[in-house]
Amino acid sequence: EAAVTQSPRNKVAVTGGKVTLSCNQTNNHNNMYWYRQDTGHGLRLIHYSYGAGSTEKGDIPDGYKASRPSQENFSLILELATPSQTSVYFCASGPDWGQDTQYFGPGTRLLVL
Amino acid sequence: AQSVTQPDARVTVSEGASLQLRCKYSYFGTPYLFWYVQYPRQGLQLLLKYYPGDPVVQGVNGFEAEFSKSNSSFHLRKASVHWSDWAVYFCAVSMGGNMGYKLTFGTGTSLLVDP
Repeated sequence: EAAVTQSPRNKVAVTGGKVTLSCNQTNNHNNMYWYRQDTGHGLRLIHYSYGAGSTEKGDIPDGYKASRPSQENFSLILELATPSQTSVYFCASGPDWGQDTQYFGPGTRLLVL
Repeated sequence: AQSVTQPDARVTVSEGASLQLRCKYSYFGTPYLFWYVQYPRQGLQLLLKYYPGDPVVQGVNGFEAEFSKSNSSFHLRKASVHWSDWAVYFCAVSMGGNMGYKLTFGTGTSLLVDP
């Protein structure tokens, strides 16, 4: 079974602080994704990567950076966290082809005060 | 640009009744369509996926979906709902291809099951 893990699972941050969300996958997938989930919006793509060293902007990248140091790891970085970034963040991995399934992690609940 | 509309934010059905969750997509070309389910406090899990071919797709736990190009729809169905189906359901579309393809999700439909 495909495995995507996220850490931390819950995080409270202060406005203006730096937050790093981590994701690890053991599927050996080339593609990895960061989404946020908000009521009324479903899941929206923040950043994605199609291999180690690459990052691409998704649909809502403002205020976020991403890092893909290896095949297994993909981080989402909030340099200056704001309350509007309070959300649930999901990481996913997927194989090379768009018609194939993405596998999701359990999510990270972030509260920015 | 591709998009997905799930017009029903919440659907309530009685246990044992049939279910249909609606999904409309907008896409120029051949879409790949997915239904995912999210149980409370969990990530998303794949229910079923459509590749061009047979318009009716079977998924897990008795779910199926029917693709209609003329209606731009991909509705999810189940003949008899169980209380364990209480969850949020997301429809998604992908343009396929490689190099970091993207899924576009609908806003989700919360399914509530009356005992």
